Amino acid sequence: GQQVMQIPQYQHVQEGEDFTTYCNSSTTLSNIQWYKQRPGGHPVFLIQLVKSGEVKKQKRLTFQFGEAKKNSSLHITATQTTDVGTYFCAGRSSNTGKLIFGQGTTLQVKP
Amino acid sequence: DSGVTQTPKHLITATGQRVTLRCSPRSGDLSVYWYQQSLDQGLQFLIQYYNGEERAKGNILERFSAQQFPDLHSELNLSSLELGDSALYFCASSVATAAGANVLTFGAGSRLTVL
Repeated sequence: GQQVMQIPQYQHVQEGEDFTTYCNSSTTLSNIQWYKQRPGGHPVFLIQLVKSGEVKKQKRLTFQFGEAKKNSSLHITATQTTDVGTYFCAGRSSNTGKLIFGQGTTLQVKP
Repeated sequence: DSGVTQTPKHLITATGQRVTLRCSPRSGDLSVYWYQQSLDQGLQFLIQYYNGEERAKGNILERFSAQQFPDLHSELNLSSLELGDSALYFCASSVATAAGANVLTFGAGSRLTVL
């Protein structure tokens, strides 16, 4: 079945360093969504990418959707302690329409 | 407040017991999804309902069942509980069916502890 792999599983950075998490799907996606879950909280929608090669920015966060629509990345520039949490990608299969979540990348930021 | 209401927030019970988790979707949302999140694990999709009908099934155990009622609230029933069922159970809602490019709004979750 469809799988969405996300790496790394954990990342510890010093405040001010950059951070990137990668998401790879075994099948072509119609769109990909990103969610953030703060410690003790629930996932909150960040953004959705639909077009091949699409790049979107939200302040220090940059989201990319691959040309083949099978991979995506989230890059955070100059991390802050408020960026701490688990970032999930969720890919929607072009074939089945099902939304499959990656395992998430947990980001720790040392002040 | 996301607009998705889950009750109870916390639940402690014993092995072999049965519990019911409840979810009220955001106003206007027709789809309800249930996810299980174990400690340090990702979000495991259990089941989705759309306007009262089951629309998609994930890795839901036979001991678990769910339904969506005419007022669109949903209940997840967990029976013959085992220690491994201890987890955070999230409900999420969205406007459209799985076929659409819709966004999920999650509730705060119900934390189940099985002793």
